[in-house]
Amino acid sequence: AQTVTQSQPEMSVQEAETVTLSCTYDTSESDYYLFWYKQPPSRQMILVIRQEAYKQQNATENRFSVNFQKAAKSFSLKISDSQLGDAAMYFCASFTGNQFYFGTGTSLTVIP
Amino acid sequence: DGGITQSPKYLFRKEGQNVTLSCEQNLNHDAMYWYRQDPGQGLRLIYYSQIVNDFQKGDIAEGYSVSREKKESFPLTVTSAQKNPTAFYLCATTDGQGSSYEQYFGPGTRLTVT
Repeated sequence: AQTVTQSQPEMSVQEAETVTLSCTYDTSESDYYLFWYKQPPSRQMILVIRQEAYKQQNATENRFSVNFQKAAKSFSLKISDSQLGDAAMYFCASFTGNQFYFGTGTSLTVIP
Repeated sequence: DGGITQSPKYLFRKEGQNVTLSCEQNLNHDAMYWYRQDPGQGLRLIYYSQIVNDFQKGDIAEGYSVSREKKESFPLTVTSAQKNPTAFYLCATTDGQGSSYEQYFGPGTRLTVT
């Protein structure tokens, strides 16, 4: 089975500052996709950003960007200009074949 | 208004009773998934289905059963054999067409068994 590891159970960031959430994954597949999902207190899972493994360019979505290091199997999420609404649980996930594999999550607190 | 519906949002049952969680989608997606979420353990896959009348076990299928008689519906039954059924359950779909593979999630059902 594939594994996705998030080594930071909790993180905090000052409002307007930048924070990076770490994620590593383990796969022997050459074709896969990587995702970051956000789960706010409502518990609705929301897609933050997606990266296709075959693309070398790092994905960006407004204030959210990733640092995709394929050889190191690392996929970190950078949140710039953090806002109070960014406070949530963040899950890293990989997709290959027919299944998704999720990390255990990082709880992000934003300090006003 | 396309999306995934899970009902009810909160469900309470007595130990020893089977309970069925509903998941309906109108996104016309082929693949549907059931996850269990416990504190500190992320999302764990229970069952998934790629097409109607076919489904596969995930990592923690013991004590659960599913059916996929219609493309739109993928109900999950939590049986009395499930040792610790109290959890938050999420249903999800994936389009799989093109290169998206984004997973869309329902709002979840919180099951409490006492």
